[in-house]
Amino acid sequence: DSGVTQTPKHLITATGQRVTLRCSPRSGDLSVYWYQQSLDQGLQFLIQYYNGEERAKGNILERFSAQQFPDLHSELNLSSLELGDSALYFCASSSNTDTQYFGPGTRLTVL
Amino acid sequence: AQSVTQLDSHVSVSEGTPVLLRCNYSSSYSPSLFWYVQHPNKGLQLLLKYTSAATLVKGINGFEAEFKKSETSFHLTKPSAHMSDAAEYFCVVRDRDNYGQNFVFGPGTRLSVLP
Repeated sequence: DSGVTQTPKHLITATGQRVTLRCSPRSGDLSVYWYQQSLDQGLQFLIQYYNGEERAKGNILERFSAQQFPDLHSELNLSSLELGDSALYFCASSSNTDTQYFGPGTRLTVL
Repeated sequence: AQSVTQLDSHVSVSEGTPVLLRCNYSSSYSPSLFWYVQHPNKGLQLLLKYTSAATLVKGINGFEAEFKKSETSFHLTKPSAHMSDAAEYFCVVRDRDNYGQNFVFGPGTRLSVLP
């Protein structure tokens, strides 16, 4: 168990809808990272937050947004969902040791 | 910018034989390098990491990797494969002098272990 939790585990929704994925980092970790893993694109870095501030951005679509709250948990918001957004979404956290610890992921299915 | 190449998308070995998963990287700075393993329908687990100490790094479950700067490689090895090693393996690079930048993942190598 990495200490990183993600909810929900599975999410099924329809095209055009909006969903929110939640991540709680390991105790004491200030950095949170979001990744998307799909069969055709592999593991893609989306965005990083550090102590509430956006630190780095990867291949994140404009329809997607994230934030990190004062208690350090993070939410990834996905809107105007398309079939191609179906994927596993992982959250990872790290402290200053630069090692990332991954959560179990949220499997999103868009029908 | 960093990049990672995993030379084999799929490796198949027999149980009890050695494992070699290859990784080459490019990095503008002194890199940190990692290997992660992902079992089916699971999250990623850290196997080992290199951050500028010893070039031969030992990880969990009998895996080890050697950092070779001249070859820009960080290959993962294990002397004897076990059935439970069947999984997807990811090599990752991060520029340590560029703190806050993203980690770059390789495309992954799927390891199959035959009985």
